Amino acid sequence: TQLLEQSPQFLSIQEGENLTVYCNSSSVFSSLQWYRQEPGEGPVLLVTVVTGGEVKKLKRLTFQFGDARKDSSLHITAAQPGDTGLYLCAGATGNTPLVFGKGTRLSVIA
Amino acid sequence: DAEITQSPRHKITETGRQVTLACHQTWNHNNMFWYRQDLGHGLRLIHYSYGVQDTNKGEVSDGYSVSRSNTEDLPLTLESAASSQTSVYFCASSELAGPSDSQYFGPGTRLTVL
Repeated sequence: TQLLEQSPQFLSIQEGENLTVYCNSSSVFSSLQWYRQEPGEGPVLLVTVVTGGEVKKLKRLTFQFGDARKDSSLHITAAQPGDTGLYLCAGATGNTPLVFGKGTRLSVIA
Repeated sequence: DAEITQSPRHKITETGRQVTLACHQTWNHNNMFWYRQDLGHGLRLIHYSYGVQDTNKGEVSDGYSVSRSNTEDLPLTLESAASSQTSVYFCASSELAGPSDSQYFGPGTRLTVL
């Protein structure tokens, strides 16, 4: 069974701080996705990374896929209260369904 | 605009009753998925479908069933509801032939089994 471990599980920071959350596995994935979920809603896709070493930026969010395609990180610069939510990573291999991590719950305090 | 909807949004039922949760998408996506989300477990796959008449078991399929008679709908049935099935249920769909394509999620159904 492929597992994705996300860390930290919980993170509470002040507005304006930077943070990094991690998504790690012993398995190789063909692509990795990051979702954000707000309370009472379904997850929403933020980004998909497909190439080892790939870096993608989405405004203040920077996503990186590890060279070996086993891990990924999400860095947020100058966090804002609107960044509060549950961040989920999900890995894909071939034709099997996505495997989701348990998520990092981020709280940004104004 | 295309969307994915779930109904009901909230449901309270009793142990042993049959319950059906609806999922309807207007994206015309081939692939549809049902997940449950519980604290400490994240999103766990229940059943999924890659097209009409196709259904597959996921990680936690016991006690659940699905059927796919058209592209738009994938209802999830709990044959005999148990308290362990109290959870938030999410339906999702994806477009491309590869089932690992990015998924669009519905707003969820909060189910309580008493």
